[in-house]
Amino acid sequence: GQQLNQSPQSMFIQEGEDVSMNCTSSSIFNTWLWYKQDPGEGPVLLIALYKAGELTSNGRLTAQFGITRKDSFLNISASIPSDVGIYFCAGDTHFGNEKLTFGTGTRLTIIP
Amino acid sequence: DSGVTQTPKHLITATGQRVTLRCSPRSGDLSVYWYQQSLDQGLQFLIQYYNGEERAKGNILERFSAQQFPDLHSELNLSSLELGDSALYFCASSPHPGGSDTQYFGPGTRLTVL
Repeated sequence: GQQLNQSPQSMFIQEGEDVSMNCTSSSIFNTWLWYKQDPGEGPVLLIALYKAGELTSNGRLTAQFGITRKDSFLNISASIPSDVGIYFCAGDTHFGNEKLTFGTGTRLTIIP
Repeated sequence: DSGVTQTPKHLITATGQRVTLRCSPRSGDLSVYWYQQSLDQGLQFLIQYYNGEERAKGNILERFSAQQFPDLHSELNLSSLELGDSALYFCASSPHPGGSDTQYFGPGTRLTVL
């Protein structure tokens, strides 16, 4: 099945550092979503983006909908231990389309 | 806690067998989505039901089927299981028929096929 390319695949950072990850696609998306998945649990929605160029924040998280509509970025500022997990981007090609396409995931590890 | 429940949490079975995974959506949600998460394929959308009717289909194999019952719980049936079917299976629910940004995921069922 189709997947979005997400990078980096994994990150090892120290507490307090900022984190950046991105997601690219060969197709245009009308909605970009960012999820976090903790071990043994399902993904939880962090941020939803609906317009090209849109910049949206949720606490220490900021995400952007790329102007080409083929990419999106997620930044986490001043990372804390509970930020550990796998971050997924997801795209929706049509408004209200149920068929989300997910990225390959970025695994974030915080080094003590 | 998303409010979506899935049972069982773990399932171990043999090739060729058939299993049923169960999902109860959040109270009031009419849509149920099924996803498969495997190491090599990532998270893949399988199928969606809205108020008892099939609404959208993704990469669901013919050996797999699902249904949504009048009480809105859903079951995913996997038959003639193969080793490659080993994965995490997630259910998500949403109040809307087309709410990609309002999907709440359950904790998943881990299926191991030996």
